[in-house]
Amino acid sequence: QVQLVQSGAEVRKPGASVKVSCKSSGYTFTDYYILWVRQAPGQGLECLGRINPNSGGTKTAQKFQGRVTMTRDTSLNTVYLELNSLTSDDTAVYFCARGIQLWFLESQGSFDYWGQGTLVTVSS
Amino acid sequence: QSVLTQPPSVSGAPGQRVTISCTGSRYNLGTGFDVHWYQQLPGTAPKLLIYDNDNRPSGVPDRFSASKSGTSASLAITGLQAEDEAVYYCQSYDSSLSPNWVFGGGTKLTVL
Repeated sequence: QVQLVQSGAEVRKPGASVKVSCKSSGYTFTDYYILWVRQAPGQGLECLGRINPNSGGTKTAQKFQGRVTMTRDTSLNTVYLELNSLTSDDTAVYFCARGIQLWFLESQGSFDYWGQGTLVTVSS
Repeated sequence: QSVLTQPPSVSGAPGQRVTISCTGSRYNLGTGFDVHWYQQLPGTAPKLLIYDNDNRPSGVPDRFSASKSGTSASLAITGLQAEDEAVYYCQSYDSSLSPNWVFGGGTKLTVL
């Protein structure tokens, strides 16, 4: 069965960086986009961007450009989200989610499987 | 302010029918991009409930249905059950924004 398993909770001080991982199993890792979505406490869902696990190509939300890096390791079926220059506003649960297959338009498709979420807390 | 607009809350008694609206614009739903719906139970990840406007993934009860017309979409839940109490999000793609994948603000469903 398809599973996305994320790394554990993190606590960082303002100005630091954090790297969250998302390991996929149960399907061909390089066939589907992976997206990163975050949810601040008591708030809604916000998309940070997506990665093409086959090529490594990324698309980052303008709001996060310069602060977000998305990478993948195909030998581990794992994608990573790194967020730099953290502030308290970055305190949130970060989810990875599987998007559509790469040969379809990225505008199509839903997020059919999600990781369990990783809580990142930024506090001095 | 979310790109897709949902009511903050709806409520209904067990057995009743409720609907949740999702209003977009010419850059997303109005362009013909599909809308998808997710259910988020407290402390859990969102779960895909409806995809491509009106399709249910395997395992989702047929009490859940959805439709889309123009720049609006709606999710309907019939035969309301206590376990349906959750936050529901609509999601689509937007041609004018970055990121292109956009969510509604979420609607909290309370089963009375």
